[in-house]
Amino acid sequence: DVKVTQSSRYLVKRTGEKVFLECVQDMDHENMFWYRQDPGLGLRLIYFSYDVKMKEKGDIPEGYSVSREKKERFSLILESASTNQTSMYLCASRGRTGGGIFGGYTFGSGTRLTVV
Amino acid sequence: TQLLEQSPQFLSIQEGENLTVYCNSSSVFSSLQWYRQEPGEGPVLLVTVVTGGEVKKLKRLTFQFGDARKDSSLHITAAQPGDTGLYLCAGANRDDKIIFGKGTRLHILP
Repeated sequence: DVKVTQSSRYLVKRTGEKVFLECVQDMDHENMFWYRQDPGLGLRLIYFSYDVKMKEKGDIPEGYSVSREKKERFSLILESASTNQTSMYLCASRGRTGGGIFGGYTFGSGTRLTVV
Repeated sequence: TQLLEQSPQFLSIQEGENLTVYCNSSSVFSSLQWYRQEPGEGPVLLVTVVTGGEVKKLKRLTFQFGDARKDSSLHITAAQPGDTGLYLCAGANRDDKIIFGKGTRLHILP
């Protein structure tokens, strides 16, 4: 079964800590994404990457950075965690179908981060 | 700014009933996807529709893409408790950017 694996399901961090969220996919997908999901706000795109070493800002990049050193791994970094970054974080990947168009997202199970 | 409006936001119905949820926009999308998300999990892709007017069936679920490719519907026949979850629609624009709706939270009562 194809998979996107997020390193932690639950995480509690203190305000000001540097936080690393790891995501690994085994589908050889070029595209990878980080979203956060909050009640009433839906899914909001933080950062995405179309290839190794490439990164693009999404709709809410402030307070976050990313790293993609290998094709299968996309890391989200909270430089200095704050309480308003308490959220469900979802990683996703996407590849091309046989027809050359992009297929749907494969999401990880999510990391529920609480910043205290 | 492209938006996808999903309605209703919440729906609670008895097992065995039929229901339809909607995904609407004023923008045209090149394709549209439906996902189901269960509590504590990531969304799972159910279907992608590409052609205006396209209808796809997945067991008791029927998905339709509007003729103008601006809207979509999901119809569930004889709903079961296992259908409970958050249903998200997502549209892809010409630049391949994906826009998500905020979802319909569906609860099927046994």
